[in-house]
This record gives sequence, C-alpha cells and structure tokens, in this order.
Amino acid sequence: DTAVSQTPKYLVTQMGNDKSIKCEQNLGHDTMYWYKQDSKKFLKIMFSYNNKELIINETVPNRFSPKSPDKAHLNLHINSLELGDSAVYFCASSQNPGGETQYFGPGTRLLVL
Amino acid sequence: DAKTTQPPSMDCAEGRAANLPCNHSTISGNEYVYWYRQIHSQGPQYIIHGLKNNETNEMASLIITEDRKSSTLILPHATLRDTAVYYCIVREPAGNKLTFGGGTRVLVKP
Repeated sequence: DTAVSQTPKYLVTQMGNDKSIKCEQNLGHDTMYWYKQDSKKFLKIMFSYNNKELIINETVPNRFSPKSPDKAHLNLHINSLELGDSAVYFCASSQNPGGETQYFGPGTRLLVL
Repeated sequence: DAKTTQPPSMDCAEGRAANLPCNHSTISGNEYVYWYRQIHSQGPQYIIHGLKNNETNEMASLIITEDRKSSTLILPHATLRDTAVYYCIVREPAGNKLTFGGGTRVLVKP
C-alpha cells in the first residue's frame, strides 16, 4: 500500500488554465504539506495543514489554494496557471506538526505551456 | 533554522563506505540534524536524525561532532541504489517545515 499518493503523476496544461492536484495519506497522520521543487531542484515548502487547519502559508501567490477536506487528504488548486508554475509538486505527511519524519509522495510533474 | 553547507557532489565506489559531510556552524542548542535523500524522480526519503549523540539505524550512521558544528552521514556499504541527492537539514524540535538546501549529489560507481 502506498503511504502517500498523489494524482495525477503528470500534468501538462496551457497557460491560464485552472488545475488541481490531489494528495492522500493512509498513515493516520495529522499533518500534511505541499512542497515545490523547481527546475534548479530546490525544494521549498508551500503549505502545511494540521487536522484540516492551515498552519504554514509561505509566500505563495494567492492563485494557489490548498484544501483539506479531512486529515487524510490535502489538495492543491492552482488558478490561472503561469509558465513559472512548471515544477514538481510533492505532498508529504507527518504524525504531527513537530513529527520527526515526513513521508513524501512520488510527486506531480506539472508543465505549463 | 540554521543554514547547512554540503559539498555539491561526490563519487563513491560500490561496496565501500560513503562519508557525507555537513557543516552547520550556526546550529543552536535545541536544533536537530536531519538527513534526507532524493533518488532521481522520487520524493525525498528520511534517513536519520540526531541531536548530540551518534545515531545508527538500518540505513546509515550519523556522527555529530562534540561542538555540534558539523556532522557526517555514513552509508556503510554503498550500493548503486544509494545514488541520490543527500540533504542535511537543521531543524527546531517544534519546527514543522523542512528547509532543503542544495544537497550533495552522490554517485555510486561499480
């Protein structure tokens, strides 16, 4: 069983479109995260939710809106996609906000044309 | 969180030990040292973490200097599947975000 899963794995879309990426974890964790890895391979945190509440919101354009319908799911909706949004987006989870280990999903490769 | 410095790349022979250094000279007393790795096209994977004492698990050993300003991750018998980017991260115990730097790209050669 996959601990942290993401869909889709690949996403190719046109500039200006709106798209969503979904993440699910079956580890029973309370905390989930979204990270972005750009073309230079730097990984940066975007958001974190604990028990469906937003606890980290880094400097991210408000075109990005996370939604956590329940503890096991954290989705990322992106409006008006731009070329610079092309990246790999990783979801992660941990037992709690200070959890020692974060478990990462396989990533969603987004390409905006 | 304190900043870390790692060499950008290193090679290692298969079957030999790989010693990956990390400098974190501004680490504060309650910050932990974490190591993650990212194999090509996969999500990062937790390896090990420690505060002061040396730590060992089934994947690796972590040696932290007495002044805690540097540490070394040791992969005891590197295999080709250990080829990855290895990230050294310093983190507060209550901090819930991981700040990734550039990491060390390790290439294990046959």
